[in-house]
Amino acid sequence: GAVVSQHPSRVICKSGTSVKIECRSLDFQATTMFWYRQFPKQSLMLMATSNEGSKATYEQGVEKDKFLINHASLTLSTLTVTSAHPEDSSFYICSARRQPNTEAFFGQGTRLTVV
Amino acid sequence: GESVGLHLPTLSVQEGDNSIINCAYSNSASDYFIWYKQESGKGPQFIIDIRSNMDKRQGQRVTVLLNKTVKHLSLQIAATQPGDSAVYFCAETPNAGGTSYGKLTFGQGTILTVHP
Repeated sequence: GAVVSQHPSRVICKSGTSVKIECRSLDFQATTMFWYRQFPKQSLMLMATSNEGSKATYEQGVEKDKFLINHASLTLSTLTVTSAHPEDSSFYICSARRQPNTEAFFGQGTRLTVV
Repeated sequence: GESVGLHLPTLSVQEGDNSIINCAYSNSASDYFIWYKQESGKGPQFIIDIRSNMDKRQGQRVTVLLNKTVKHLSLQIAATQPGDSAVYFCAETPNAGGTSYGKLTFGQGTILTVHP
């Protein structure tokens, strides 16, 4: 199966700083990647859809200036949480798909803790 | 807005029993449904999927049933094992062959605990 890798798996940052999370498709080229957020004991909520070479599409209620998404290549999308606050602490998960009509594969997630 | 939800947040079973996890969805346009297993601190792991033109699909020890009339989805796990303990999510996406494929709406989740 296809492999999607996230880095880092865990990160702790100070309030007010920015943190970057990487999502890489290791053995395929991903035209589209998706970013999800999951709070403890809750479900995954889609934040944005990231298309290679174009601007990301954000879901309603997600601040695009706070959660910067860059999909500069077919194997890498990054999510930058800017000016992080404790309420941004969450589990961030990406998924990637090769083509529009193919399944998306999930990364292992990144646990962000803002102190 | 549209959502996918679950009836039971927790399920405890004995090893060897069969488990049934349920999911209700509200979007009548849902075209493709997936069950995921998520272990603590990890991303979702694909279990089985089913398209809206099917009622049942079987995998290894797992079966998914789809009742479009009442917008209900279930996951059956046969001979449940301790390694099956995890959170199980149903997810749906409309227009499986289109550009929104992979843009998933997840259900609430059910915590399955299997006792040896």
